[in-house]
Amino acid sequence: GENVEQHPSTLSVQEGDSAVIKCTYSDSASNYFPWYKQELGKGPQLIIDIRSNVGEKKDQRIAVTLNKTAKHFSLHITETQPEDSAVYFCAALFPGGNEKLTFGTGTRLTIIP
Amino acid sequence: NAGVTQTPKFQVLKTGQSMTLQCAQDMNHEYMSWYRQDPGMGLRLIHYSVGAGITDQGEVPNGYNVSRSTTEDFPLRLLSAAPSQTSVYFCASSFVGRNTEAFFGQGTRLTVV
Repeated sequence: GENVEQHPSTLSVQEGDSAVIKCTYSDSASNYFPWYKQELGKGPQLIIDIRSNVGEKKDQRIAVTLNKTAKHFSLHITETQPEDSAVYFCAALFPGGNEKLTFGTGTRLTIIP
Repeated sequence: NAGVTQTPKFQVLKTGQSMTLQCAQDMNHEYMSWYRQDPGMGLRLIHYSVGAGITDQGEVPNGYNVSRSTTEDFPLRLLSAAPSQTSVYFCASSFVGRNTEAFFGQGTRLTVV
């Protein structure tokens, strides 16, 4: 089955600096890669996603890059703010898996004021 | 907009007891799933359904049953609770075949003593 590895497990950055979280996946047929943000006491919420026919996608301070050859994708947050503190999960969906998403183990991001 | 509603939010069970975690969505999503979230292990898929009357096992199905009699509801049953089932449980829903956002409920924190 699909396997998704996520690094780092914890990340602390100064407010205003950038944060990068990286994930690798095992199944080269995976074609959809969402990122979820989970705030304390809440369910995960989609913040950005990318499909396998695109190399990069941006949405204001958030961007995701995908390298299909290397089978890895990354989340980039620029100009970090205190409200960016949360747990972030990457995920991959591989075709033929009945829409099953495989999640990474999560990154706890802390923004230091 | 209700989205995905899970009940209860918190539950304490004694070993051997059974219970049902409820999940309902009002977005007419075909796909519904249950995950458990444990520290350092991300979100692991328990069971999923691609439509009413169709269910299948995920990564960690042992000790859990599901049914899908309607599009809206997808209850998760713990047959005989064990301390290893202490976790936070999330229900999610999405459309099938469109690689679109999965919506999560707020979670149920279950403790088995």
